[in-house]
Amino acid sequence: AQTVTQSQPEMSVQEAETVTLSCTYDTSESNYYLFWYKQPPSRQMILVIRQEAYKQQNATENRFSVNFQKAAKSFSLKISDSQLGDTAMYFCAFMKLRSFYNTDKLIFGTGTRLQVFP
Amino acid sequence: NAGVTQTPKFQVLKTGQSMTLQCAQDMNHEYMSWYRQDPGMGLRLIHYSVGAGITDQGEVPNGYNVSRSTTEDFPLRLLSAAPSQTSVYFCASSNPYEQYFGPGTRLTVT
Repeated sequence: AQTVTQSQPEMSVQEAETVTLSCTYDTSESNYYLFWYKQPPSRQMILVIRQEAYKQQNATENRFSVNFQKAAKSFSLKISDSQLGDTAMYFCAFMKLRSFYNTDKLIFGTGTRLQVFP
Repeated sequence: NAGVTQTPKFQVLKTGQSMTLQCAQDMNHEYMSWYRQDPGMGLRLIHYSVGAGITDQGEVPNGYNVSRSTTEDFPLRLLSAAPSQTSVYFCASSNPYEQYFGPGTRLTVT
């Protein structure tokens, strides 16, 4: 069975600074996706970034980037130039890919609460 | 294009009552799922469906029923509510690359 571990329950960062959230996972699968979701106080789950396991290049979305280390089963999220609006819970998630037409369920970590202060 | 919609947004039940949480999507996705979110435990899968007429259990299915008669709708039924089912419930639908979440339902069972 797959597991996802987020070892940092809470983090804080000053506005405009950089912060890195950690995530490790355990799987015997070779084809899968990894995700970071943001959950602000509105509780909406918002996809931040996605990484395909077969891609060696780390995914980047504006101020958000990942450090994907497949052999180490590590998937950290770096937020650059932190903004007050980045304050939220961040969840790391794993999804096994069975076939092109049939995705599998998401396995979530327990989340990291990020506070950005002025 | 509304994406994934859930109703109600909030609900309070007494122990033993039953109710249905509604979920609908307009993206023509075959795959839909229900998660519950409890403090300190992340989201856990309750039930999922890979298409109309096909459902399966997730990690925490006890006390919940689902059915999928159409591609668009995937309701979650609580048969006899218990305080342990107090949680926030999320419905999601997905294409092969991404899951799209509804806004969630906060359920309190007293």
